[in-house]
This record gives sequence, C-alpha cells and structure tokens, in this order.
Amino acid sequence: AQSVTQLGSHVSVSEGALVLLRCNYSSSVPPYLFWYVQYPNQGLQLLLKYTSAATLVKGINGFEAEFKKSETSFHLTKPSAHMSDAAEYFCAVSSDRGSTLGRLYFGRGTQLTVWP
Amino acid sequence: DAGITQSPRHKVTETGTPVTLRCHQTENHRYMYWYRQDPGHGLRLIHYSYGVKDTDKGEVSDGYSVSRSKTEDFLLTLESATSSQTSVYFCAISDSGKTTEAFFGQGTRLTVV
Repeated sequence: AQSVTQLGSHVSVSEGALVLLRCNYSSSVPPYLFWYVQYPNQGLQLLLKYTSAATLVKGINGFEAEFKKSETSFHLTKPSAHMSDAAEYFCAVSSDRGSTLGRLYFGRGTQLTVWP
Repeated sequence: DAGITQSPRHKVTETGTPVTLRCHQTENHRYMYWYRQDPGHGLRLIHYSYGVKDTDKGEVSDGYSVSRSKTEDFLLTLESATSSQTSVYFCAISDSGKTTEAFFGQGTRLTVV
C-alpha cells in the first residue's frame, strides 16, 4: 500500500523567506510523487511531479522538490515566499499496481501562511 | 485548464434523500475519480473508474455508488445522504493513470442537514 505523511499541518513564513513543506512517503516500489496546491474555494492544481527522470524536480511558481530515496522524502521548497503562495499544499503518491493504476494517495495537507 | 465540469457546485439536501453529483470531462481521459475533502483528512478516494462500466471502490466508499456509462460522464450517488457526508467532493481525471498527473474539477460543496 502507498501512503503519504505531511509533517506540519500549518507552516507560517515571512514574505521573502524560504518555504519548506515536508512530505514522506511509504512505498514498496519506486513511486510517482506529486505536489498539488489548492487556493481557497478552488480545485487542486499540479505544482510538480516526480516520475524517476530526475531527482530534483522544478515546478511552477518557483517551487521545486527533491526526491530522496534513502529518506523516502519529497520535500517542497521555494527560496523566497510571496504573499500569493498562501494556500494549502498536498503531497500525493501514485499507485503502481494493476487496476489501481493512477490512484492517488494524498497527505493531509499543509496550510501555508505568508506574513508581510 | 482541463475540461472538467462538476455539477452542481453547491447543494443542500436533507438527511435520507438520494443525491447525485455529476462529473463531465471533455478530455477523453480513461481514468476518473471521486474524492472527498474534509479538514484534517486531505483528500480521500471514494470510487474510481478505469473505463466505461469499469469502476472500483476507494477507501471511503460506504454509502456511495458510481456509474460510468460514457467516457465523459462519471456520476456519484449518495444513496441516502447522512450528515457525515457533508463535504467537498472533487472529481479528477487522468490519462495513463500512472505517471500522468490527475486534473481536478472545481469541486461540489454538499451540505446534508
């Protein structure tokens, strides 16, 4: 089975500070990993995805994530936070087996607050 | 934006009544999913479909049923709505189902009173 743990349900940073959102996954085989962002009253939008091509993945809006197999982690970072980054962020892992292909397992989400 | 339309966007219904939510896609994607989002739980899979008439249960399927008679439509039915089913429901679609990301609809906010 696949699972995802997001450490910290709320993260607050000042504008211009580093953003670090943590995600650890559980998978018996190499996973496919995703970060999604959700703005208030909207659906989820893909930030970036890891599909084994490169361990450092760059996404939209200046975000990036690094896949570390030894740590089973896929933390999301951004060097300098903007007010517009305030949203909820979800890490997800994709199932790799049989008829459950494509099924996403989500973490519980991390609410990012950016202070001026 | 991926062509996914959820209807209705908001609904208030009474306990014990049946409710059907609709997801319509124009992308011809094979896989379709229904998730519910609740504070502190992230998104949890209710049911999914890997083709016309091919569906399977997710982790929170009790009290829900689905149907997919056409590629573009995936219906979620609450057979007899309960207050615990008050939630925001998201439909998602994906193409290959594995490495390709899922695209999400705008959500349906359902309140059961």
